[in-house]
Amino acid sequence: GEDVEQSLFLSVREGDSSVINCTYTDSSSTYLYWYKQEPGAGLQLLTYIFSNMDMKQDQRLTVLLNKKDKHLSLRIADTQTGDSAIYFCAVENNAGNMLTFGGGTRLMVKP
Amino acid sequence: DTAVSQTPKYLVTQMGNDKSIKCEQNLGHDTMYWYKQDSKKFLKIMFSYNNKELIINETVPNRFSPKSPDKAHLNLHINSLELGDSAVYFCASSTGQGREQYFGPGTRLTVT
Repeated sequence: GEDVEQSLFLSVREGDSSVINCTYTDSSSTYLYWYKQEPGAGLQLLTYIFSNMDMKQDQRLTVLLNKKDKHLSLRIADTQTGDSAIYFCAVENNAGNMLTFGGGTRLMVKP
Repeated sequence: DTAVSQTPKYLVTQMGNDKSIKCEQNLGHDTMYWYKQDSKKFLKIMFSYNNKELIINETVPNRFSPKSPDKAHLNLHINSLELGDSAVYFCASSTGQGREQYFGPGTRLTVT
């Protein structure tokens, strides 16, 4: 089955850029997603990218997809303390009926 | 105007008991899901329903039985609760299978 990996932890200073990385194994994945989970809350969809795109920008968020290397990244510009949360990447299977989530990256933003 | 709601938010119970968690979505979505998030935040799908029909059952013990009375509801019943069932259970919904999923706030289940 699909395997999705993320680094566990990232710490940045307020105002810096954050880059959260994700690797996956199924090259036929169609949609790839980034979710944010704040403490005690459910997952909030941040953005997604279709597999025929290399990049997608949405305000402070930039998603980069390298299909050859099966690598997905989320860049947050001008990171704020309110961005502190766990970020999950999720990959949709080829059948389009299931998401596989990475283990989540805990982002800590220091003032 | 909550999109995906779950009840209860917290559930503390003893081993061997039977409990249910309810989920409702008012987004008009066709597909609903149950996920389990363990203490290390690892999130794994349990079930997926599309138009009240079971689509995915990911190697979940048969003590767990989902029930979808209509498109807007997907409830999770758990029999003979075990310590290892302690986790946060999330309900989610989407317009199509696997597409942009909207999550509920979660139900924290603690089995003592």
